[in-house]
Amino acid sequence: AQSVTQPDIHITVSEGASLELRCNYSYGATPYLFWYVQSPGQGLQLLLKYFSGDTLVQGIKGFEAEFKRSQSSFNLRKPSVHWSDAAEYFCAVGAAAGTASKLTFGTGTRLQVTL
Amino acid sequence: NAGVTQTPKFRILKIGQSMTLQCTQDMNHNYMYWYRQDPGMGLKLIYYSVGAGITDKGEVPNGYNVSRSTTEDFPLRLELAAPSQTSVYFCASSYSSGGHEQYFGPGTRLTVT
Repeated sequence: AQSVTQPDIHITVSEGASLELRCNYSYGATPYLFWYVQSPGQGLQLLLKYFSGDTLVQGIKGFEAEFKRSQSSFNLRKPSVHWSDAAEYFCAVGAAAGTASKLTFGTGTRLQVTL
Repeated sequence: NAGVTQTPKFRILKIGQSMTLQCTQDMNHNYMYWYRQDPGMGLKLIYYSVGAGITDKGEVPNGYNVSRSTTEDFPLRLELAAPSQTSVYFCASSYSSGGHEQYFGPGTRLTVT
């Protein structure tokens, strides 16, 4: 069964500082990997996704993530955080194409940005 | 193009009452999903549908029912509400399976007392 671990429940960074949110996954085949962001009181919005190819994926709002198969990781990064990035971030792994698209989400990392 | 819409936004139910959470998407997506989100637990899949007339259980289906009579609508039914069903419910849709992005609605916050 697929699973996702986000080891950091809560992270605080200063505005302008760099950010890395950790995500480790477990899946028996080539995974589809996603990062979603949830602002308070809102639904989830896709930041970026990885299917295959280049292991460094660019997303919206200046975010990027790197797929490392050897480490089963898909960490999210941003070089300079803005106060508006304060939100909850979810990593998810999906089944490969041809099956029902069932995403398994991590428990989330809440990001606080200090000015 | 409204995307995925959910009604109501908030609801308070008494134990044993029933209600239906509505979900509609206007993107002509085949796949639709219901999740519940509890603090510190991430999102758990309740039910999903791969097309009109086809539904299947997810990870936490007990206490819920769904139907899919049209491509656009995917209502979630709670028959006998219990305090354990207090949660935030999200509906989502996607064009297809595998790596296709799921689009989420704004959620319904349900409290059962």
